[in-house]
Amino acid sequence: AQSVTQLGSHVSVSEGALVLLRCNYSSSVPPYLFWYVQYPNQGLQLLLKYTTGATLVKGINGFEAEFKKSETSFHLTKPSAHMSDAAEYFCAVTRSDSNYQLIWGAGTKLIIKP
Amino acid sequence: DSGVTQTPKHLITATGQRVTLRCSPRSGDLSVYWYQQSLDQGLQFLIQYYNGEERAKGNILERFSAQQFPDLHSELNLSSLELGDSALYFCASSPRTSGRKTGELFFGEGSRLTVL
Repeated sequence: AQSVTQLGSHVSVSEGALVLLRCNYSSSVPPYLFWYVQYPNQGLQLLLKYTTGATLVKGINGFEAEFKKSETSFHLTKPSAHMSDAAEYFCAVTRSDSNYQLIWGAGTKLIIKP
Repeated sequence: DSGVTQTPKHLITATGQRVTLRCSPRSGDLSVYWYQQSLDQGLQFLIQYYNGEERAKGNILERFSAQQFPDLHSELNLSSLELGDSALYFCASSPRTSGRKTGELFFGEGSRLTVL
């Protein structure tokens, strides 16, 4: 069965430091991949997505992610963390039998230390 | 603002009761998804409707039901409520695609249900 694994339910970084949130997936067919962000008391919003083409994708708020097929990974990075980045981040991939259905990771809560 | 509207934002009720959550998708979106988010279970897909018809079912309990109306708004009905049903319930819609399907979802801000 397909799965999405996000390493670390909580990640803490200092303001100005590199943010790295890890996402690995298992799928027999290369899926479409997404990162969503959920700010406190809000719904989820799309941060970035990979469908085809360039494997390094840029999203909103300075985030980017690289699709590495050989590693089945789609890690999310940002060079310099800001206090406003504190949120929960979800990685999701499309199901191999349906591009309308997503399989979700458990989420990683990003904590920014001043 | 995602364009997806959910009401009510907050709801407090008692065990055994029934509630209805409402969702209006983005203009033009035909698909509506319902998700449940709780601390212990995380984000769980419940059900999807496409243009009025059920398209996919996830971890939806038999006590829960949903429908999508001709104007494309959707309702999620939760009955015989239990304490464990306390959660955030999200609605999401996805864009119409004439070609490649991408799975991108637009989420509402959720309805927070508290069962006492």
